[in-house]
Amino acid sequence: DARVTQTPRHKVTEMGQEVTMRCQPILGHNTVFWYRQTMMQGLELLAYFRNRAPLDDSGMPKDRFSAEMPDATLATLKIQPSEPRDSAVYFCASGLALFAEQYFGPGTRLTVT
Amino acid sequence: EDQVTQSPEALRLQEGESSSLNCSYTVSGLRGLFWYRQDPGKGPEFLFTLYSAGEEKEKERLKATLTKKESFLHITAPKPEDSATYLCAVHPNQAGTALIFGKGTTLSVSS
Repeated sequence: DARVTQTPRHKVTEMGQEVTMRCQPILGHNTVFWYRQTMMQGLELLAYFRNRAPLDDSGMPKDRFSAEMPDATLATLKIQPSEPRDSAVYFCASGLALFAEQYFGPGTRLTVT
Repeated sequence: EDQVTQSPEALRLQEGESSSLNCSYTVSGLRGLFWYRQDPGKGPEFLFTLYSAGEEKEKERLKATLTKKESFLHITAPKPEDSATYLCAVHPNQAGTALIFGKGTTLSVSS
C-alpha cells in the first residue's frame, strides 16, 4: 500500500557534520511537509512545498537548514553544520492539497553529539 | 495568534472506562480540524477531519465532535491497543497556511 518513506531511520553524527534526510512522498501527492518533533516543543512545521515549489520555510533556522525537492519523488532536508540542539525526530508528510489530511513517514531520529 | 491547546497532557484509563480528550483552538477562521494518532516510534496516523460545528465522525471506539471553539475525541470502552498519543491539528482559513498542531494527549489504557 502507498506510504511515505524516509531514510535514514536513525542517524548519529558529531556536531559540525552535515546531515541529509530524504523523503519519498506518496505518488500523486503534490504537497510535502517537513516537521521536527521533540518532547519539549511537540511537532513543529519546518517547511512545505506544493508542486515542488517551496511555499514556506519560516519554521527553519535559515543559516543551517535547507529543504529542496529535486523532483516529485524526492524531498531532502539538510542541516549544515549540525548542532546538539538539532537532535529530534524529523518527519516528512505528504498530501493531496495544503488543506487535506497529511500522511506521515516513519521519521528520522537524529542524534547530534 | 493562532493556537491549539490539548488537555489533559496525559490520561490513564482502565479498560472499558470511557472518557474524552479535549482540543481547544483559537484561529481566525477554521478550514478544518484534524485528529491523528501517534504510536511510539512511528509517525502520526490520520484519524478524522471535521469541517463545521456540529459535525461528528466515528471510527470503532472513537468519536470526534466539533464546536466553534473546541473538539472532543470521545473514547468508548477503550482497550489497551488504544494506548497512544492523540494529536489535534487545525487548518486556519487563510490562503497558504498549513496545519497547526497541538502538543497531544498521551493515553494509557490498562487491562
